[in-house]
Amino acid sequence: DVKVTQSSRYLVKRTGEKVFLECVQDMDHENMFWYRQDPGLGLRLIYFSYDVKMKEKGDIPEGYSVSREKKERFSLILESASTNQTSMYLCASTPPAGSYEQYFGPGTRLTVT
Amino acid sequence: DQQVKQNSPSLSVQEGRISILNCDYTNSMFDYFLWYKKYPAEGPTFLISISSIKDKNEDGRFTVFLNKSAKHLSLHIVPSQPGDSAVYFCAAWAGNMLTFGGGTRLMVKP
Repeated sequence: DVKVTQSSRYLVKRTGEKVFLECVQDMDHENMFWYRQDPGLGLRLIYFSYDVKMKEKGDIPEGYSVSREKKERFSLILESASTNQTSMYLCASTPPAGSYEQYFGPGTRLTVT
Repeated sequence: DQQVKQNSPSLSVQEGRISILNCDYTNSMFDYFLWYKKYPAEGPTFLISISSIKDKNEDGRFTVFLNKSAKHLSLHIVPSQPGDSAVYFCAAWAGNMLTFGGGTRLMVKP
């Protein structure tokens, strides 16, 4: 059974703080993704990575960066948190080419005050 | 501009009846489509998918229909159950990226 875990379920941070969101998958998946979910906007892709130390911008990368030092771990970094980054953050992973299903973590509800 | 749209933000259905959730897309490069279900405070879970070379895929109570000429897909749930109450997202693959619609909140009333 695929498991994708995220370091925190709920997080409250102050404006200007640096925020780290961690995601770990245990199935040796190649591809990992970070999304944010906002009402009416669905899931929007922030960044994805298809290999260690590789990263690609998604639709809304501004204000975010990522790190993938190990295959199983993909971190999302908010360099200086702002109130408009209050959202639900979801991490996902997919097996190598040939599989289309994304497996999601439980999400991190981030509130920036 | 949203490439995948779910025009109904919410849908209310009586238990036992059919639920039909709709999704429209604009990108003709999409070659695989998925439906996800999401409960509050949980990550989305995969429900059913369909390749662009097919027009129908069925799995138990869930059927997905794809109309490529209209760039439209729909999810049918028959019969609907209260446990189906959730937010449903359609999503489409093109290359390395999966694009999601805005979601439809389904409420199944007992």
